[in-house]
This record gives sequence, C-alpha cells and structure tokens, in this order.
Amino acid sequence: DTEVTQTPKHLVMGMTNKKSLKCEQHMGHRAMYWYKQKAKKPPELMFVYSYEKLSINESVPSRFSPECPNSSLLNLHLHALQPEDSALYLCASSQDGAGLYGYTFGSGTRLTVV
Amino acid sequence: GNSVTQMEGPVTLSEEAFLTINCTYTATGYPSLFWYVQYPGEGLQLLLKATKADDKGSNKGFEATYRKETTSFHLEKGSVQVSDSAVYFCALSHSNSGAGSYQLTFGKGTKLSVIP
Repeated sequence: DTEVTQTPKHLVMGMTNKKSLKCEQHMGHRAMYWYKQKAKKPPELMFVYSYEKLSINESVPSRFSPECPNSSLLNLHLHALQPEDSALYLCASSQDGAGLYGYTFGSGTRLTVV
Repeated sequence: GNSVTQMEGPVTLSEEAFLTINCTYTATGYPSLFWYVQYPGEGLQLLLKATKADDKGSNKGFEATYRKETTSFHLEKGSVQVSDSAVYFCALSHSNSGAGSYQLTFGKGTKLSVIP
C-alpha cells in the first residue's frame, strides 16, 4: 500500500456544524501533515505530527484541531468554521521526519463552508 | 528564512516543445528539493527529488539538477505532451526551527498548458 487515503472527498458544512476529516496511511511513515490549499495557491502547512509529536503553524485558528490516534491515522476536527475556510485540505506523510524520501499526498478533501 | 521562487505562468507550449520552469530557493543548511505536479481536481504527486548538491532527479522525461552554487532546481523536459498539462510546484524540505520537525515549503506554482 503506497497511498495516503483521505475521506471524505467532498464536504459541505454549515458554520455551526462540527465535522472531521480523516487521513490514513499504511506505509509505516512516521510523520503526517495537514495542508490547506486555496484555489490557484500553493499548499500551506497547518499541522505536523512527527514521531507522535505535534507541531502547529501558529497562524492556524483554533477552530481547526488535529488528532493523531496512532501513527497511521490523522484526523482534523472542524468546528464553527467560516466561509473563508473553504479550500482543499491535503494530508501528507513522509517516511522520516526530515522528508528526505519525499512526501506522499492524499487526493484531498474539498471543503465548502456555507 | 526558507523560501522558493518559481517562474509564474501560465506557460503555454505546443506539443513536443522544450520545457523549462525556473526555480530558485533560499534556505539555511542543506534542504532536499522537490518538484510536485497537480492535475486539475487532484492532490499533489511527487514528480522528482534531489537530496544533495549536484544530484539530478528524473522521472517521466522530466529532469532537475540541484545546483547549490546558483541555489536553483530548474525543471526541464525535452518534448512535452498534452498530458503534461498541470500545475507544477517547486518545494524544499526544511526544519521547523526549534520544533523538532520538518515541513515542505512550496513555490507559488506554474500552470502549464500544452496544446496539440
């Protein structure tokens, strides 16, 4: 298995909803990441779990909260989002914490906040 | 800090034309360098990588050489096809200072359109 699997592929949610995005990999990678990508922009890092230690991009609002139940699974919990949070959310993993072998990306969850 | 600058498109080429997308970087230490490709509506796919100076990454006819002296990692392909139409991102992997982790920093992306 050489994939990063993200579910759901599409999500529409209201500003008062609570939802979660899921990401899974079975490659034995020890680092996992959440990126946010707005249209026609490059991905921007939100969170890193490296060897089960969390690093946060401090510009990410608290309405996004990551969770790493185990080394294969990464969730992103969403609550009270704003329309400007609509974007493609990409999960990635890397074999080692330094990404020397490259990062494997999932196909993303396209989120629309209404 | 760490940053990537790549030529902004869009770039439009005829099939079988030669492709160059310029990428330069600023980094502390010795980052790994990558090219990723994103097809419409999809996630990012690793196209090629290089982990040290003078390394050449290659895949599917694309090549890029890690040039430390010019801090560059230009992407080239000798003969493009319509199926190469996509957005190409140059990226570097670097450490989050003090956080004990690494991350990818991307250039702004270059949209390539290849016409028959």
